[in-house]
Amino acid sequence: AQKITQTQPGMFVQEKEAVTLDCTYDTSDPSYGLFWYKQPSSGEMIFLIYQGSYDQQNATEGRYSLNFQKARKSANLVISASQLGDSAMYFCAMSPIQGAQKLVFGQGTRLTINP
Amino acid sequence: DAGITQSPRHKVTETGTPVTLRCHQTENHRYMYWYRQDPGHGLRLIHYSYGVKDTDKGEVSDGYSVSRSKTEDFLLTLESATSSQTSVYFCAISEILSNQPQHFGDGTRLSIL
Repeated sequence: AQKITQTQPGMFVQEKEAVTLDCTYDTSDPSYGLFWYKQPSSGEMIFLIYQGSYDQQNATEGRYSLNFQKARKSANLVISASQLGDSAMYFCAMSPIQGAQKLVFGQGTRLTINP
Repeated sequence: DAGITQSPRHKVTETGTPVTLRCHQTENHRYMYWYRQDPGHGLRLIHYSYGVKDTDKGEVSDGYSVSRSKTEDFLLTLESATSSQTSVYFCAISEILSNQPQHFGDGTRLSIL
């Protein structure tokens, strides 16, 4: 079974600062995918970034980067130069590589950006 | 945005009544999923489909059934709704490639009184 743990229920950051959201995972699968989603107060789920367990380099997408440390089973999301619009819930998730993408989610971290 | 439509968007019903939620996609994706979101739990997988008439259970499938008679439609049914099924329900779709993200519908807020 796969499990995701997000240990930060809430975080408060000043605008323009960088922020790291923690995610640790547990799985016995040799190959897996890791995802981060953003959920603003409006409720929709927005995909941010993906990291495959076999990827040699850490994933980056604009201001988002994923600090992937396989030996530590961590996949932290780094947001550079935070903006007020980054205030939202952030979910880490993982899925098997093969077949259906059965996502297992963490409990989420509520990020608040202060002006 | 991925073409995913959930209906209804909001529903209030009484314990013991049947409820059906619909998910419609225009992307012709193979895989479709139903999740529920409750405070403190993130999203949890209820059922998923890997093709027409091909479905399987997820983590929290008890009390739910699904059907997929066409590629574009995936129905979630609560045969006899209970208050513990009050939740926000999300439909999602994904392609065959594992590195392509799952895209979500806007959710259905279901309240069972």
